[in-house]
Amino acid sequence: ELKVEQNPLFLSMQEEKNYTIYCNYSTTSDRLYWYRQDPGKSLESLFVLLSNGAVKQEGRLMASLDTKARLSTLHITAAVHDLSATYFCAVDIGGASGTYKYIFGTGTRLKVLA
Amino acid sequence: GAVVSQHPSRVICKSGTSVKIECRSLDFQATTMFWYRQFPKKSLMLMATSNEGSKATYEQGVEKDKFLINHASLTLSTLTVTSAHPEDSSFYICSARNPSGRFKNIQYFGAGTRLSVL
Repeated sequence: ELKVEQNPLFLSMQEEKNYTIYCNYSTTSDRLYWYRQDPGKSLESLFVLLSNGAVKQEGRLMASLDTKARLSTLHITAAVHDLSATYFCAVDIGGASGTYKYIFGTGTRLKVLA
Repeated sequence: GAVVSQHPSRVICKSGTSVKIECRSLDFQATTMFWYRQFPKKSLMLMATSNEGSKATYEQGVEKDKFLINHASLTLSTLTVTSAHPEDSSFYICSARNPSGRFKNIQYFGAGTRLSVL
C-alpha cells in the first residue's frame, strides 16, 4: 500500500526555535511538493521539488528531497507565530503510473507560541 | 502562478438534494482535473481523476453514483453530490493539472468548497 507519512503530526514550538518536519514515502518518485493550509482554507503551494537532492528555500522555510531515502524535510528556522498552520507534503506518482496523481501526507499541525 | 477557480466556496443544503461544484482552470487547458475530499483535521483524500472527454476514474471506496463527475471541456470539471446526506458534509477541493508551463504536469488547487448537509 502506498503510504506518505509525516512526523510529527503535531508540533508546538517556541518562537525563534528551529525544527524539522519529515515526510517519508513508500514508492518511487522524484517529485514532491509542500503545501501550507490555514484553517478553513485551501492549499498554498510552498515548494516544488523535482529531483533528487533538490533544495529550495523561502524565508524561514527550507525544503529538501532525497529520492533514494524516499524522504523530504521541511526545516523551519527561527519560527514566528505567522508560520502556525498545517503543512502537507504530497508525493507525485504521475511519472511512473501515467496518472499524475498526488498522494498527500498525513499533515503536520504546527503551532508557534509567542 | 496558474489560477484554478472553484465555486461555490460554501453551500448549505437539505438532505436529499443534489449539489454541483464547479472547477475551472482560468489560464491553461487542463486535460486532467482531480477532486479531493478533506475531513476536519485530516489530510486530503483523492476521490477521482477527471479526464476531459472521458469517464472519470474513481478511487477505491468512492461511490461513482453518489459523486458524479463531468469534464466536458478543457477548462471545466464539475462534481455533483447526488442526494446529499449529512455524512457527505466535508471540504471538497479540486485541482487541475497543467501539462505545460514552468513546472510541467503539476497540479494547481482551487479554493475549496465547504458543503454542509442539514
